[in-house]
Amino acid sequence: EVQLVESGGGLVQPGGSLRLSCAASGFTFSSYGMNWVRQAPGKGLEWVSYISSGSSSVYYADSVKGRFTISRDNAKNSLYLQMNSLRAEDTAVYYCARVLTLSVLEPWGQGTLITVSS
Amino acid sequence: QSALTQPASVSGSPGQSITISCTGTSSDVGGYHYVSWYQQHPGKAPKLMIYDVSDRPSGVSNRFSGSKSGNTASLTISGLQAEDEADYYCSSYTSTSAYVLFGGGTKLTVL
Repeated sequence: EVQLVESGGGLVQPGGSLRLSCAASGFTFSSYGMNWVRQAPGKGLEWVSYISSGSSSVYYADSVKGRFTISRDNAKNSLYLQMNSLRAEDTAVYYCARVLTLSVLEPWGQGTLITVSS
Repeated sequence: QSALTQPASVSGSPGQSITISCTGTSSDVGGYHYVSWYQQHPGKAPKLMIYDVSDRPSGVSNRFSGSKSGNTASLTISGLQAEDEADYYCSSYTSTSAYVLFGGGTKLTVL
C-alpha cells in the first residue's frame, strides 16, 4: 500500500524554525517527484513546494520563497521541508503528496499541523 | 500566482447532477491538458478524483466526469449521493513560477 506519513508539526513562535518530514512507503520513492501543500484553518489548498525525483529541480510558491527549503533523501525514502522565519500566516496543515504525473498529486499524507503563534 | 476561480458553494438533491466550474487563464487551465480535481471530506486529506481534464483514477466512480473549454474546466457529478458531500478543489499545471495552482474550493451540499 502506498503511504505517506508526515511528522514534525507543532507550535512555534513567529520568527522561529521547524523541519517537517514525510516518510514514504509502498512505492519506489526515488522515481517520483514530491510536493508540499498546505491548508490554513478553514481555508483552501495552497501549493508550497515541489522537488523532482533526483532533486535537480525545485520550485516554491512566492509566499515561502527564501524562507522554506525542500529536500529529500532517497536512501531513507523521506521528504523534508525546512521552514525558517515563520509567520502567523504560515499556520496550516501541511501535506506531502506524490506526483503521479505532471502536476497530479496522489496520494496525500494525513497532514501535520503547524501553528505559528506567540 | 493567483488561485483558480471556483464557486464557493453548490448544492443538489440526491440523484441529481451538479457541475462545478474552475476558471483560469491561458497560462494554466487554458494552456494545458493538466487539470485535476480533488475531493476533501472534513478532517481528511484530499483525494484525486479526475486528472488530465477527464481521466478517472482506478476506483473512482464513473459518476464523476471532467471537461474543459477554453480557460474553464468543469467537474460534473451525476446521480448525487450523500457521501459526495465534501469540498472539491481543481488544480492545474501552470507555466508561471509556481508548479501547480489550486482553485479556492467549492463546498458541495447534498440536500
